[in-house]
Amino acid sequence: DGGITQSPKYLFRKEGQNVTLSCEQNLNHDAMYWYRQDPGQGLRLIYYSQIVNDFQKGDIAEGYSVSREKKESFPLTVTSAQKNPTAFYLCASSLGLAGAQETQYFGPGTRLLVL
Amino acid sequence: GEDVEQSLFLSVREGDSSVINCTYTDSSSTYLYWYKQEPGAGLQLLTYIFSNMDMKQDQRLTVLLNKKDKHLSLRIADTQTGDSAIYFCAESIGGYSTLTFGKGTMLLVSP
Repeated sequence: DGGITQSPKYLFRKEGQNVTLSCEQNLNHDAMYWYRQDPGQGLRLIYYSQIVNDFQKGDIAEGYSVSREKKESFPLTVTSAQKNPTAFYLCASSLGLAGAQETQYFGPGTRLLVL
Repeated sequence: GEDVEQSLFLSVREGDSSVINCTYTDSSSTYLYWYKQEPGAGLQLLTYIFSNMDMKQDQRLTVLLNKKDKHLSLRIADTQTGDSAIYFCAESIGGYSTLTFGKGTMLLVSP
């Protein structure tokens, strides 16, 4: 089955700790995205990558870092600098054809909670 | 800048039609999308419309686009309890693959 997987489903972070959220896709998509969802806030873009070894900051990149060493993987690290990390994190991917019809396919999400 | 606005909540009875509205500000939008999110899950694409179209129909779903007023709507005919979810409107801007999402409309369908 083609799709996007995110792990873990739930993640707990202690104060001052970095945690990494996994996102893997087997859709052969060039572009991948990380969003944060808070109640009543909709989706806000954290980082995106349109090609391997390249990524750009989204609207709320502070306190987060990413890497894109492989086409199918785009892990997100929530660093200790992110003071309010409790949220639902969604990963997505798309073909990456700017200007074309660009459906984004979403993973099931990871819920991060701070202890 | 880009901004996508939606009403936050809609309640309908099973069997009625639902209409979810969205307004956007960027006149260079190329594609507009409707996504559905069920509780605790990711988003799934429902439908999309190209900006030079006025209407698109797909089974129970009808999308209307008024480009002059920058207004997009999603009509769900014969709404079922399984349609209860959050619906997001999103736009893409020519030259970019990123999407700008609205805050979502929670649709509650009662029996």
